[in-house]
Amino acid sequence: DAGITQSPRHKVTETGTPVTLRCHQTENHRYMYWYRQDPGHGLRLIHYSYGVKDTDKGEVSDGYSVSRSKTEDFLLTLESATSSQTSVYFCAIGEMKDANNQPQHFGDGTRLSIL
Amino acid sequence: LAKTTQPISMDSYEGQEVNITCSHNNIATNDYITWYQQFPSQGPRFIIQGYKTKVTNEVASLFIPADRKSSTLSLPRVSLSDTAVYYCLVGRGPTGGGNKLTFGTGTQLKVEL
Repeated sequence: DAGITQSPRHKVTETGTPVTLRCHQTENHRYMYWYRQDPGHGLRLIHYSYGVKDTDKGEVSDGYSVSRSKTEDFLLTLESATSSQTSVYFCAIGEMKDANNQPQHFGDGTRLSIL
Repeated sequence: LAKTTQPISMDSYEGQEVNITCSHNNIATNDYITWYQQFPSQGPRFIIQGYKTKVTNEVASLFIPADRKSSTLSLPRVSLSDTAVYYCLVGRGPTGGGNKLTFGTGTQLKVEL
């Protein structure tokens, strides 16, 4: 399996508190992604990164920010958590090889509950 | 981003072949078709990817007709352990840079004895 570590794996916090989730990879892949998964919605892209300090928004980016200061780490921050952000968060990594599309590899997720 | 449509659920029995069809009418020229499998409490896992015609690997086959508006994932001789959610995705190819994939709600496959 691809070397992707998400931390923490589980977190319970209160509304209004800041939360940071970390994704760490050992594959040296250029692209990193944050998704959230909710019942009835499948996985939805929050933000993604196409290099160090290069990030862009996905389809559900409101209320989230990201940072990537090193190739191996991609942080997702909820500045002021709300109950609607209770979800399972998945990090994924991807690469382009010989100009061909390569599949993404996913971490095991972080279950976040906001009370 | 191309939208995909696939059945919400399917049931099968051990040893049978399962075919899951996905519709993607507005697929773009540079889009690839990728299938992922997801077990509870785990991240999705790549199964197979294709651009056109037929692709086969050790776990599945992917059939893509000439117009590429649909694709069919074929799982030969399924077992109980194939019970999972299967996602069909259509994503940008090389000219789009990194893959901005759109996941639908997937197909819940249940395999019984």
